[in-house]
Amino acid sequence: GAVVSQHPSWVICKSGTSVKIECRSLDFQATTMFWYRQFPKQSLMLMATSNEGSKATYEQGVEKDKFLINHASLTLSTLTVTSAHPEDSSFYICSARGFGDRVSSNQPQHFGDGTRLSIL
Amino acid sequence: EDQVTQSPEALRLQEGESSSLNCSYTVSGLRGLFWYRQDPGKGPEFLFTLYSAGEEKEKERLKATLTKKESFLHITAPKPEDSATYLCAPDPGKSTFGDGTTLTVKP
Repeated sequence: GAVVSQHPSWVICKSGTSVKIECRSLDFQATTMFWYRQFPKQSLMLMATSNEGSKATYEQGVEKDKFLINHASLTLSTLTVTSAHPEDSSFYICSARGFGDRVSSNQPQHFGDGTRLSIL
Repeated sequence: EDQVTQSPEALRLQEGESSSLNCSYTVSGLRGLFWYRQDPGKGPEFLFTLYSAGEEKEKERLKATLTKKESFLHITAPKPEDSATYLCAPDPGKSTFGDGTTLTVKP
């Protein structure tokens, strides 16, 4: 159980293009979804947290106009990198957290397999 | 400010050589400490949740323990397939991850 699907797994596009990444919880309802960025040999850097039906909360230094997050349902969140440039090239990972017997914030995050974004 | 430090940064073991990874944290109001395994090019895979000091969880060759200030991930008789980066995350409500320990197990 607790499967999160992230798509696409790899995308290469030209500078100036906008890229959309989807994150779906397949077998549970995700109250909260997280978007991370990970640089080689570094840990996860949280970009934003989104709750279904409300605006995402962005971490300090993350441009909300560049990284558009939509969490329209309890099973789907999207991250759109607008007007992508080479410096946006990275590994983007989403995660989802669902309901549980304990307070939801005590539930583990379940991660997608990431999206490798390369901007030429 | 919440902080989490994992040590060592990298660990090389021979197959069958047991060892421990450390996760030290300072978090106000800890509501759970999580361990994950991450393989290269993949998203982290959930391993354990520990909620209170003294708690232990086991899965195959892995055992996680928790005190008020740190957590240990003990690896008993590791195999090459245990090679991965292990991440800890205290207080997932704030999604703060440690930098991880990269474990390499040689046959």
